[in-house]
Amino acid sequence: EDQVTQSPEALRLQEGESSSLNCSYTVSGLRGLFWYRQDPGKGPEFLFTLYSAGEEKEKERLKATLTKKESFLHITAPKPEDSATYLCAVRQGATGRRALTFGSGTRLQVQP
Amino acid sequence: DSGVTQTPKHLITATGQRVTLRCSPRSGDLSVYWYQQSLDQGLQFLIQYYNGEERAKGNILERFSAQQFPDLHSELNLSSLELGDSALYFCASSPGTLQETQYFGPGTRLLVL
Repeated sequence: EDQVTQSPEALRLQEGESSSLNCSYTVSGLRGLFWYRQDPGKGPEFLFTLYSAGEEKEKERLKATLTKKESFLHITAPKPEDSATYLCAVRQGATGRRALTFGSGTRLQVQP
Repeated sequence: DSGVTQTPKHLITATGQRVTLRCSPRSGDLSVYWYQQSLDQGLQFLIQYYNGEERAKGNILERFSAQQFPDLHSELNLSSLELGDSALYFCASSPGTLQETQYFGPGTRLLVL
């Protein structure tokens, strides 16, 4: 069974204080690891998709990396508007099944 | 704005009742997914449709059902509602091709009293 574990559960940073969020996964035949951002009461907002170990993607202050067992979301010099819950999800390679298995998320708070 | 729309935004109902949640996917997307998000369970996959046909099922209760119509919009029907069904229900859509990304709608917040 696919499993996704995110750590830490919650993280409080000062504005400008860089850090990383971790996503460890167990999946049979990875067909994509996804990062989403979710604000309270809103739908998850797509950030990145990674497909193979060694792949990296960047968007503004965010950078996502992937190894064979985990993914990291690096946040460089965060701002208060980066405060949100960050969700990691995996999709396995079973034919016809493209649903995502989500982790429980990391709640990030960036204080000015 | 992801391009996925969901109605209603909020729904308050009583135990034992039946409700219908509606989702319109992004233009051109053939796949629709339904997810449930509760405080203690996180985001859980319920069911997937592709071009009108059921493609995969997750942890969907027998009291819940869904369908996708010829115009590709989808409805999730929840019946015999219980207090524990209170949650956020999200719809997501994707083109339906390999390695596609799912884009989520704003969700429907269901409160069962």
